[in-house]
Amino acid sequence: NAGVTQTPKFQVLKTGQSMTLQCAQDMNHEYMSWYRQDPGMGLRLIHYSVGAGITDQGEVPNGYNVSRSTTEDFPLRLLSAAPSQTSVYFCASRPRGGHYGYTFGSGTRLTVV
Amino acid sequence: RKEVEQDPGPFNVPEGATVAFNCTYSNSASQSFFWYRQDCRKEPKLLMSVYSSGNEDGRFTAQLNRASQYISLLIRDSKLSDSATYLCVVTPPGGNKLVFGAGTILRVKS
Repeated sequence: NAGVTQTPKFQVLKTGQSMTLQCAQDMNHEYMSWYRQDPGMGLRLIHYSVGAGITDQGEVPNGYNVSRSTTEDFPLRLLSAAPSQTSVYFCASRPRGGHYGYTFGSGTRLTVV
Repeated sequence: RKEVEQDPGPFNVPEGATVAFNCTYSNSASQSFFWYRQDCRKEPKLLMSVYSSGNEDGRFTAQLNRASQYISLLIRDSKLSDSATYLCVVTPPGGNKLVFGAGTILRVKS
């Protein structure tokens, strides 16, 4: 049981490049989310999903796309990277129902130059 | 006003001390409440859920006051290993996402 797995752990992009941050969970969790963490600003929600085929925007969705074709995977796509997207990105998941907390992946540190 | 506000840090305490963190939230319809711990350059990890009846896990006690929209975390007999950032987290109505406070840094010194 690996939990929530994020790849890559580190990435450097040039402005304008696109890339996909991968997130996979093996706990059969229905809820999955992407957050970014910036110094002094806490974690902010980018996009979230309550099940396969269902996604919605969070607090800071601009510049990012998501899809959820399977329960296990929730990739985050940066369409055209900008320096303002330099951040640490965390993926998280939890079961539906109840008052469960989310389990987080170990994060992807992204630098856009 | 931020949705979740926490005590400003850092808290610098000696080993063995008791330390308390406070947090307030703005949405009275919030459903679930948590304390997370985050070590430097690591992911947040769930420390404990918070209930109105109060709950305890070893040296940690959490309390929720819905009337005042106030959450607290008490750490007794602090250890060096308790040094971390503590995040107050709230789930708005719907329960499918988390809203984080900015975090409070705790430094326990020998």
